[in-house]
Amino acid sequence: DQQVKQNSPSLSVQEGRISILNCDYTNSMFDYFLWYKKYPAEGPTFLISISSIKDKNEDGRFTVFLNKSAKHLSLHIVPSQPGDSAVYFCAASGKIQGAQKLVFGQGTRLTINP
Amino acid sequence: DVKVTQSSRYLVKRTGEKVFLECVQDMDHENMFWYRQDPGLGLRLIYFSYDVKMKEKGDIPEGYSVSREKKERFSLILESASTNQTSMYLCATHRQPAGGYTFGSGTRLTVV
Repeated sequence: DQQVKQNSPSLSVQEGRISILNCDYTNSMFDYFLWYKKYPAEGPTFLISISSIKDKNEDGRFTVFLNKSAKHLSLHIVPSQPGDSAVYFCAASGKIQGAQKLVFGQGTRLTINP
Repeated sequence: DVKVTQSSRYLVKRTGEKVFLECVQDMDHENMFWYRQDPGLGLRLIYFSYDVKMKEKGDIPEGYSVSREKKERFSLILESASTNQTSMYLCATHRQPAGGYTFGSGTRLTVV
C-alpha cells in the first residue's frame, strides 16, 4: 500500500519556466512533509519541508504548498535552471503505529531543457 | 554539518554470500535508518534503530538483518545475498524534531 504517491515518473520543463512536482498521501497521521533532491550515484539531499500546520513554505526559488484536505502537496521551482535536473522525492513523516517513520514517494525525474 | 559515511560506494557480490553494509555518523543522533532505492518504487525502509542494540523492522525487512553495537554505527546484513537484493542502499540519520534526516552517499550493490 503506497502511502505517498508521486504519479508522474518524469517531467520536462523549459529553462526559466516553472516546474511543478506533485505528491499525494493517504495517511492523515503524517504531520511533516519534505522534498529531497537526488543526483545519480549520490544520496538524497534535503531541499525544503513543511509542517502540517502551514499551507506554504518558501525558500528562494523553491516553494512547497500543502493542501491538507486534499492530502496533496506540490513543489514549485521558479525559475527552473539546468542544475535542477534530478530526481525529486516527496516524503512524509509522522508517528505511525507508535514509531516515527519517514515514507517516500516513488520519485519524479525532472529534466530542465536549455 | 552531520556526516553520514557509507563504507562502500559500489559492491559486487555473489549469490549466497553474506554481505555487510556499514554506516557511520559523526554526530550524536539516536535514530538511524536503512533504505533501498529501486526505480519506480522510491525509497523503502528496511530497518531502523532508535538506540544502541535496539532495532525495528521497516516495510521490507525480509532477507535482511541489522546490528547497532555502538551509537555511531549501524550495519545492514544480507545473510545470503540474492539477485533481487541488487539495489542502491541508503543509510540515514535523524535528529529531533522531524525534518533533520541526513543521508549517506549510498552503496550500489550488485548481486550476481
